[in-house]
Amino acid sequence: ELKVEQNPLFLSMQEGKNYTIYCNYSTTSDRLYWYRQDPGKSLESLFVLLSNGAVKQEGRLMASLDTKARLSTLHITAAVHDLSATYFCAVDIASGTYKYIFGTGTRLKVLA
Amino acid sequence: DAGVTQSPTHLIKTRGQHVTLRCSPISGHKSVSWYQQVLGQGPQFIFQYYEKEERGRGNFPDRFSARQFPNYSSELNVNALLLGDSALYLCASSFTAMNTEAFFGQGTRLTVV
Repeated sequence: ELKVEQNPLFLSMQEGKNYTIYCNYSTTSDRLYWYRQDPGKSLESLFVLLSNGAVKQEGRLMASLDTKARLSTLHITAAVHDLSATYFCAVDIASGTYKYIFGTGTRLKVLA
Repeated sequence: DAGVTQSPTHLIKTRGQHVTLRCSPISGHKSVSWYQQVLGQGPQFIFQYYEKEERGRGNFPDRFSARQFPNYSSELNVNALLLGDSALYLCASSFTAMNTEAFFGQGTRLTVV
């Protein structure tokens, strides 16, 4: 069974602190996506990682992909309250049926 | 540029009823996928359509069906609604069927009472 697991599921952190969210997946894939979701809203694309070793940064967020370890990380630097949201990783599965398998999500709360 | 648009944004239905959700993809995109997101969980794949043909189906009962029209818009139909069908239904469009980024609409919040 294909699985995408994120940890932690919940994260409460102080403003100004750093933290990393982990995304492990159980199948071969070279493409991984990170999304942000605010309560009641849709998915906002954050990063598209298309190859082993890919690293992308936007503001206080940086994402990386290690396809050999089947692991992606989302690193938060000097967190601010506006980063409070749920973060999902999704793995691109293209074996007959093309679909995304989403992780369990990490609910992040940044405390002022 | 218009993104992926879905209608309606919110919907309340009674158990046993039928519902139709609609999605218009980004202009030029030929693939539409549907996902169900139950509160507190990640989205689950329901269907993918490309060039008006079903390319994939997730682990959902036959009460769920979909189609894609010549203009690449799509409908998701759910028959005999159950309380457990209450969820956010997300439509995603992409340029091709495979190996390309999908862009999500704002979703339709379905509540079954």
